Amino acid sequence: DIQMTQSPSTLSASVGDRVTITCRASQSIDIWLAWYQQKPGKAPKLLIYKASSLESGVPSRFSASGSGTEFTLTISSLQPDDFATYYCQQYNSYSPYTFGQGTKLEIK
Amino acid sequence: EVQLVESGGGLVQPGGSLRLSCSASGFTLGTYAMHWVRQAPGKGLQYVSAISNNGGSTYYADSVKGRFTISRDNSKNTLYLQMSSLRAEDTAVYYCVKSRTTMVSPGDYWGQGTLVTVSS
Repeated sequence: DIQMTQSPSTLSASVGDRVTITCRASQSIDIWLAWYQQKPGKAPKLLIYKASSLESGVPSRFSASGSGTEFTLTISSLQPDDFATYYCQQYNSYSPYTFGQGTKLEIK
Repeated sequence: EVQLVESGGGLVQPGGSLRLSCSASGFTLGTYAMHWVRQAPGKGLQYVSAISNNGGSTYYADSVKGRFTISRDNSKNTLYLQMSSLRAEDTAVYYCVKSRTTMVSPGDYWGQGTLVTVSS
């Protein structure tokens, strides 16, 4: 199975900060990576697909990049609504479509 | 408006069975692959299973292979997950997820989830 590792596990930041979350795959997944945001008690929301494509309706302060085994999600200027847990997911091959362990973004 | 509504969760004893259903509306179910993803209390997301748009291909996580069966009835706009030989570690909220495209791909719509608790 392809393993996905996110860092950091927890990130403390303030409104207005620029933050970056990293996701590493145990083997190359080309650009087949998605990012999700999940708030407590809610279903995840798709933010990014194909490593860097912004899902419709997602604010432009969210951006992502990467290919192969290393990927990043960046929020350019944190808003109060952005404090949540973020997950990456690979879908290069059904091994299955594994998720990272999550990164909890907290208010500093 | 796309809606996915899961049902069928509940309390079941270890070794028991349960069938989850996901009623889809607002889109043509037969056009899209579908998934089940679960989340144990306080834990991260875990991929469970996927099925192609016509049901011809199915995929399972190793942890559920041989115990869970995914299926769909496109004429009834419904996705299913038959779960048997349930274990305590299967306790989780189970989400029904619509693929972004016809192929198995990231989920762009998620249901609200249904809680399955495996306990004696």
